[in-house]
Amino acid sequence: EVQLVESGGGLVQPGGSLRLSCAASGFTFSSYWMHWVRQAPGKGLVWVSHIKSDGSRTNYADSVKGRFTISRDNAKNTLYLQMNSLRAEDTAVYYCVRDRWSGPDSWGQGTLVTVSS
Amino acid sequence: QSVLTQPPSASGTPGQRVTISCSGSSSNIGSNNVYWYQQLPGTAPKLLIYRNNQRPSGVPDRFSGSKSGTSASLAISGLRSEDEADYYCAAWDDSLSAWVFGGGTKLTVL
Repeated sequence: EVQLVESGGGLVQPGGSLRLSCAASGFTFSSYWMHWVRQAPGKGLVWVSHIKSDGSRTNYADSVKGRFTISRDNAKNTLYLQMNSLRAEDTAVYYCVRDRWSGPDSWGQGTLVTVSS
Repeated sequence: QSVLTQPPSASGTPGQRVTISCSGSSSNIGSNNVYWYQQLPGTAPKLLIYRNNQRPSGVPDRFSGSKSGTSASLAISGLRSEDEADYYCAAWDDSLSAWVFGGGTKLTVL
């Protein structure tokens, strides 16, 4: 069974940094692209970033480009999202999502990031 | 403002057939596959349809997807109370080099 468990969320001040982690199990992590998708409270889904299976290629939404960095450690079956220069509008639940069939497939339960002073 | 356009709400009675539309452009739906997700209240999204009209194992055949040009649709037949949820479409956008989602459709079962 595919399991994706996010961690690292919490309360951070504007301008601060946070690193999210996603522990993957139940599948061969190193064979799959992975995504981060976020959802602000009461709002819709917004794609943040994705990374190729070997980490050699990444893409970002314009809203986070230059501030967020996606990475992965295939030896540890873990996906990361380093978030810098955080803004109030980054407040959201962040989901770790596996890519299958060339699109987002299995979702974790999410971790809440709150940016507030 | 989402790149993909969905109606904010839809409704139907038990047993009815409901369709949810998703409108895009040549750079996303027009040239790439469409995916549909169901999000029950308080839970993470779940994949319903991949590559326009394919169902993952475990998804009932009451759910079906279609695509024509720059639009796509999700149809739910034999509507049940447990289908009450938010539904999202998504596609890769070649111009943005990014995945784009619709704004979501809240389905109410009357």
